[in-house]
Amino acid sequence: DTEVTQTPKHLVMGMTNKKSLKCEQHMGHRAMYWYKQKAKKPPELMFVYSYEKLSINESVPSRFSPECPNSSLLNLHLHALQPEDSALYLCASSQDWRPSGNTIYFGEGSWLTVV
Amino acid sequence: DAKTTQPTSMDCAEGRAANLPCNHSTISGNEYVYWYRQIHSQGPQYIIHGLKNNETNEMASLIITEDRKSSTLILPHATLRDTAVYYCIVRGGGVNQGGKLIFGQGTELSVKP
Repeated sequence: DTEVTQTPKHLVMGMTNKKSLKCEQHMGHRAMYWYKQKAKKPPELMFVYSYEKLSINESVPSRFSPECPNSSLLNLHLHALQPEDSALYLCASSQDWRPSGNTIYFGEGSWLTVV
Repeated sequence: DAKTTQPTSMDCAEGRAANLPCNHSTISGNEYVYWYRQIHSQGPQYIIHGLKNNETNEMASLIITEDRKSSTLILPHATLRDTAVYYCIVRGGGVNQGGKLIFGQGTELSVKP
């Protein structure tokens, strides 16, 4: 089983709303990732968690707030977003963070529209 | 920045082999070559990865040149469902950078009847 589950699949939110994207995996993976993908562009790395600790923040604006409550769950809290933040948000996981041949598996993504 | 160069687009006839090239001339000795694909509106799907040797699995084969500066992904019998954007990614390096999967622009493969 190589499943990463993301909810919701679609989200529409206003610029003053607070919402969250959720990601879950039950593969025992200890590294989890958030990527952002704009239309017709490749995915861009946002955050990396390793053993529930934030390891990498790719200079993401503070209106995006990640959280890793336990080894299976990863959240992305959204607040005061702008219309240009509308994108596909992808969650991924891998066994750990080691720089070796250790596969990263992606979820199907959450489509976010900010109005 | 992405460390790979791929053609923007390619066509392939259904049932024929699709050969997707990738240049990674600055690859380091401890860096792996990964291939993913993304079918429209879906999450990226892992295909295969390798370090030095050629690799084969149920989806594809990966041929890495001896100097490791380029590689080719081979889909042996392409079907219409293989139409997707294919990403060649170099992954590895230092302890603080190793887990990163940095996507380049990819190759848009169109499989035609």
